[in-house]
Amino acid sequence: QQQVKQSPQSLIVQKGGISIINCAYENTAFDYFPWYQQFPGKGPALLIAIRPDVSEKKEGRFTISFNKSAKQFSLHIMDSQPGDSATYFCAASIRGGSEKLVFGKGTKLTVNP
Amino acid sequence: NAGVMQNPRHLVRRRGQEARLRCSPMKGHSHVYWYRQLPEEGLKFMVYLQKENIIDESGMPKERFSAEFPKEGPSILRIQQVVRGDSAAYFCASSPAGPYEQYFGPGTRLTVT
Repeated sequence: QQQVKQSPQSLIVQKGGISIINCAYENTAFDYFPWYQQFPGKGPALLIAIRPDVSEKKEGRFTISFNKSAKQFSLHIMDSQPGDSATYFCAASIRGGSEKLVFGKGTKLTVNP
Repeated sequence: NAGVMQNPRHLVRRRGQEARLRCSPMKGHSHVYWYRQLPEEGLKFMVYLQKENIIDESGMPKERFSAEFPKEGPSILRIQQVVRGDSAAYFCASSPAGPYEQYFGPGTRLTVT
């Protein structure tokens, strides 16, 4: 019940295309869903986050879509660029508890020029 | 404003030795989280600390691992009698008081030979 399942494991997209990464969870107590971007040898960097009271949040080329009834959320990267090539992790936590993050296993995104 | 600092960045230990990993949170942050990342895996929560208190250690192995966050100085994750299975990247994250985002450091990559 504490798991967050992420797919696909890897993704190859052409420059200018749309990258879509999906996550699903079981624990309905989760109420905070961040996405992190990690480059090789670096720590994860917070990209964008959403609370379940909204269905979509957009920041620049990055959009989170959230479907509370399906217990799913996704990251869309519009106009993908080679510099977006990284590993992306979805996560979930329960605000007001210890707020520990439960991470998906990651998606390695490659954007070809 | 300096980010989360971790040292050392790389640490090599022989089996049976002790490893000490340090984490200095961002200025103004009083909450520290430690996560472990195995190769090709997502991050796994280990422990959550506030100054002088362990709040949640549900992800810590029962033996050989300990963590502290003293009133003065960095948070320390200590691994006694390391084994090859402890080889991983260890990340700490910090957040200010309350339900805020977690910001990650660059990690310490521990190799046990």
